[in-house]
Amino acid sequence: DAGVIQSPRHEVTEMGQEVTLRCKPISGHNSLFWYRQTMMRGLELLIYFNNNVPIDDSGMPEDRFSAKMPNASFSTLKIQPSEPRDSAVYFCASSLAANTEAFFGQGTRLTVV
Amino acid sequence: GENVEQHPSTLSVQEGDSAVIKCTYSDSASNYFPWYKQELGKRPQLIIDIRSNVGEKKDQRIAVTLNKTAKHFSLHITETQPEDSAVYFCAASKDNAGNMLTFGGGTRLMVKP
Repeated sequence: DAGVIQSPRHEVTEMGQEVTLRCKPISGHNSLFWYRQTMMRGLELLIYFNNNVPIDDSGMPEDRFSAKMPNASFSTLKIQPSEPRDSAVYFCASSLAANTEAFFGQGTRLTVV
Repeated sequence: GENVEQHPSTLSVQEGDSAVIKCTYSDSASNYFPWYKQELGKRPQLIIDIRSNVGEKKDQRIAVTLNKTAKHFSLHITETQPEDSAVYFCAASKDNAGNMLTFGGGTRLMVKP
């Protein structure tokens, strides 16, 4: 398995534009997580899916952020409209079951100018 | 919700010395405590984990100890090498939260040759 795959690796966009980040979890994993990493706030959990269903989205900063998981092999995180303070590295991770290792993707470095 | 505090935020040691990173957590129901290593520009990767039914776990030069009464756990790296230089994150989760890891703020470890 190639691991968790995220795209794009880097994204530079202008303020106000829509940004969509994509994630393919490891096949067979039933939990998927979106994290945001910044120097100031560290690793923050944005949203958690279990069996494609959003379980906890309390970490989503505001209504500009939305996430979907239409099937077991694909998830998206959308920011609309984007703002400079959204600049961060966004990680997707998946795990096989509760309290087991979470495997992280390579991350998407988002820069909003 | 869970709160995980990690100290120190930066740690510099001489090659061959030991390094200790400490974390405290707030939710007494937490029962899974992984440690992740993140090299510069890379994804976080699991290096060791411990569950609440165990007080200590060792894997070569890395060991983790857990004190459930005091709600703290520590990472010990012996005989440090330059390639141990990275940011280390502790995390905590509990069974009825799926695998929702709450991360500490991270420790930047620098091993000087």
